[in-house]
Amino acid sequence: AQSVAQPEDQVNVAEGNPLTVKCTYSVSGNPYLFWYVQYPNRGLQFLLKYITGDNLVKGSYGFEAEFNKSQTSFHLKKPSALVSDSALYFCAVRDHGNTPLVFGKGTRLSVIA
Amino acid sequence: DAGVIQSPRHEVTEMGQEVTLRCKPISGHDYLFWYRQTMMRGLELLIYFNNNVPIDDSGMPEDRFSAKMPNASFSTLKIQPSEPRDSAVYFCASSPLGQGTEAFFGQGTRLTVV
Repeated sequence: AQSVAQPEDQVNVAEGNPLTVKCTYSVSGNPYLFWYVQYPNRGLQFLLKYITGDNLVKGSYGFEAEFNKSQTSFHLKKPSALVSDSALYFCAVRDHGNTPLVFGKGTRLSVIA
Repeated sequence: DAGVIQSPRHEVTEMGQEVTLRCKPISGHDYLFWYRQTMMRGLELLIYFNNNVPIDDSGMPEDRFSAKMPNASFSTLKIQPSEPRDSAVYFCASSPLGQGTEAFFGQGTRLTVV
């Protein structure tokens, strides 16, 4: 069965500093990995995905993520955090077909001015 | 396209009442998913459809929950009778065919059962 772990419930970072939100996954085959962001009282918005190819994936709003097969990780990163990046971030995985995405529990990012 | 549209955005109902949540997926998408979000359990898949046919409803918590997709542009999630523990945010999402496709989420319906 597929699963995703986001080991940190909360990440605090100062504005302008780099940020990392961690994600590890477990699948039986090749993973398809996704990051979503949720702002208060809003739905989930897609940020980026890894399907195949380059391990470093770039997405919306300056975010990027690095796929590491040996560590089964897909950490979300941004070189310089903004206060407006404060939100709830979800990592998700599927291992084949159009099966539903399996989500982690989410990590709340707080960027402090 | 306006994206996935859910209604209502907020619903407050009394315990024992029937509640119906509605979803209009993005036109042309083959898959529709219903998720529930709570603080304790995070995002849980309730049921999903492919071309209007329910594929997996193992996430539906009880027989009180039912979902239908009568056509490609409309789906409902019904709770009858509702209970306070059903209070949550319910999301509908849709996606096109393809292994690497992401799901597009609606704004959600915040359900409060008192």
